[in-house]
Amino acid sequence: QVQVVQSGAEVKKPGASVKISCKASGYTFTSYYLNWVRQAPGQGLEWMGRINPGVGSTSYAQKLQGRVTMTSDTSTSTVYMELSSLRSEDTAVYYCARVKGPDWQDASDSWGQGTVVTVSS
Amino acid sequence: DIQMTQSPSSLSASVGDRVTITCRASQSVSIYLNWYLHKPGKAPKLLIFAASRLESGVPSRFSGSGSGTDFTLTISSLQPEDFATYYCQQSYGTPRTFGGGTTVDIK
Repeated sequence: QVQVVQSGAEVKKPGASVKISCKASGYTFTSYYLNWVRQAPGQGLEWMGRINPGVGSTSYAQKLQGRVTMTSDTSTSTVYMELSSLRSEDTAVYYCARVKGPDWQDASDSWGQGTVVTVSS
Repeated sequence: DIQMTQSPSSLSASVGDRVTITCRASQSVSIYLNWYLHKPGKAPKLLIFAASRLESGVPSRFSGSGSGTDFTLTISSLQPEDFATYYCQQSYGTPRTFGGGTTVDIK
């Protein structure tokens, strides 16, 4: 069955970087986009960007441009999301999620368990 | 960016009630509209994609409708496991924006 498993919780200081992994299994890794979504405490869901794991092409939310980098490793079916210059507002639960298909099927159907990132001095 | 506005932001309901949540886009998103259920400490769950398509395994009491700018999620008979926060999300433009959420709690 489709599974998406994320790396564990992180605690970082302001200004540092964090890199979260997301390992996929149970399907053809290179055939489906992966989204990254986060939720800050008490806030709603925020789309951060997406990656095509097969070719490595990415699309990022404008507000994170320059600070976020998404990469993929097809040999291990793993995608990574690195966020740099961390600030307290980046404290959140981060999710990766598989996109079920193109066009009208562009929806996240399988989600990782979430990774808590805490930014604190 | 396409803005997604959900209403109400919260509602109280009882088991068995019919519940309707609306989502309005700031511009047309055609049928590129998804609905998710989210419970604290859990990953979001896809309920509806392409405005009205029921995701596999989701109970038929959930339904979606609409196109263009106005969309609706309906729960025909609320069950105890349905108390959660619901989000709409458009997948027409980038960024793939979410609505602010609608929390359904027990009356």
